[in-house]
Amino acid sequence: SYELTQPPSVSVSPGQTASITCSGDKLGDKYACWYQQKPGQSPVLVIYQDNKRPSGIPERFSGSNSGNTATLTISGTQAMDEADYYCQTWDSTIVVFGGGTKLTVL
Amino acid sequence: EVQLVESGGGLVQPGGSLRLSCSASGFTFSNYAIHWVRQAPGKGLEYVSAISHNGGSTFYADSVKGRFTISRDNSKNTLYLQMSSLRAEDTAVYYCVKTGGITYDYWGQGTLVTVSS
Repeated sequence: SYELTQPPSVSVSPGQTASITCSGDKLGDKYACWYQQKPGQSPVLVIYQDNKRPSGIPERFSGSNSGNTATLTISGTQAMDEADYYCQTWDSTIVVFGGGTKLTVL
Repeated sequence: EVQLVESGGGLVQPGGSLRLSCSASGFTFSNYAIHWVRQAPGKGLEYVSAISHNGGSTFYADSVKGRFTISRDNSKNTLYLQMSSLRAEDTAVYYCVKTGGITYDYWGQGTLVTVSS
């Protein structure tokens, strides 16, 4: 079965750039999207189709996907961005999630 | 405004059954595939099941195949998940999720299912 691998945790200082990776076999040949989940809340879509932002998502969130790795980049990270982030793609008709990355802003 | 409201969660004994519902509003329900995604306590997201816009196609994760059944009633704007032969590892928050193309654009607030004796 297809697997997506994320680092369990990433730390970033306020105002700096955070990068969260998601690795999978030939992931660049598929579309990737990213969800943000804060404690006690439902996930929220922040990036879809590799690099598109839904309305209402700040411009500091961006995405890329090439080769075996998709990357979520948060520029000028703010304290409110501290959350769990999940990547997701499709393998045929099945949805696949990465294990999630806890972003700490300190 | 798109809203997805899950209900039907609760405490059930191992081997028992439970039916979850998801009431949708704010969009044309019959035009969209809807999925169930779950999250065990302190764990990540796990795809559970999906149903096409007209109910003609259904899909399941291997972990629930043969035990869970997804269905929908487009006249009632409601999605269902019939769960049977429940196991401790099915304990999770179950989310109803609307698809927008190939992504999940709206999530419900979730309903907690606890399988325990």
